[in-house]
Amino acid sequence: GENVEQHPSTLSVQEGDSAVIKCTYSDSASNYFPWYKQELGKGPQLIIDIRSNVGEKKDQRIAVTLNKTAKHFSLHITETQPEDSAVYFCAASIANAGGTSYGKLTFGQGTILTVHP
Amino acid sequence: DAGVIQSPRHEVTEMGQEVTLRCKPISGHNSLFWYRQTMMRGLELLIYFNNNVPIDDSGMPEDRFSAKMPNASFSTLKIQPSEPRDSAVYFCASSLARRAEAFFGQGTRLTVV
Repeated sequence: GENVEQHPSTLSVQEGDSAVIKCTYSDSASNYFPWYKQELGKGPQLIIDIRSNVGEKKDQRIAVTLNKTAKHFSLHITETQPEDSAVYFCAASIANAGGTSYGKLTFGQGTILTVHP
Repeated sequence: DAGVIQSPRHEVTEMGQEVTLRCKPISGHNSLFWYRQTMMRGLELLIYFNNNVPIDDSGMPEDRFSAKMPNASFSTLKIQPSEPRDSAVYFCASSLARRAEAFFGQGTRLTVV
């Protein structure tokens, strides 16, 4: 089955700096890669995602890049703010042949991001 | 929409007791997932349903775990009998099968003593 590795496990930055979290996946059939943010006591919240037909996607201060050949994808957060402090998870899944179902997500181990004021 | 609703938010039970966790998916979503989160194993998928039908239950750890989805707006995860190692946060998530985005509930923190 799919295996997703995530690094680093903890990341500490100063407010205003950039933060980068990296993930690798093992199954070349994976074609959907979401990122989730989890705050204390809450469920994971989808913040951005990318599909395998796209190399990069941006949404304000957040961007995700995908390298299908190397089977890795990354989350980039620019101009970090204290409210960005949370646990971030990457994940991967496979749409079925008809693209009608994306099925299960395999998650990375998570990165604890701390942004110091 | 209120999002995915899980109940209870917290559950403390004694070893050997039956525990039932409940989930109401987002209206209109036809895929539902149950995940378990622990420090040791992270987020792991237990089972998922498409159109109320279980598709993959390979993540269900033992026969003590069972899940049902009697209709499109309700699902349960049952543990009988419960054991201390079942202590974890259990999340329910839902999505539209044709769209990959999965939305999570707030979770149920289960403690088995």
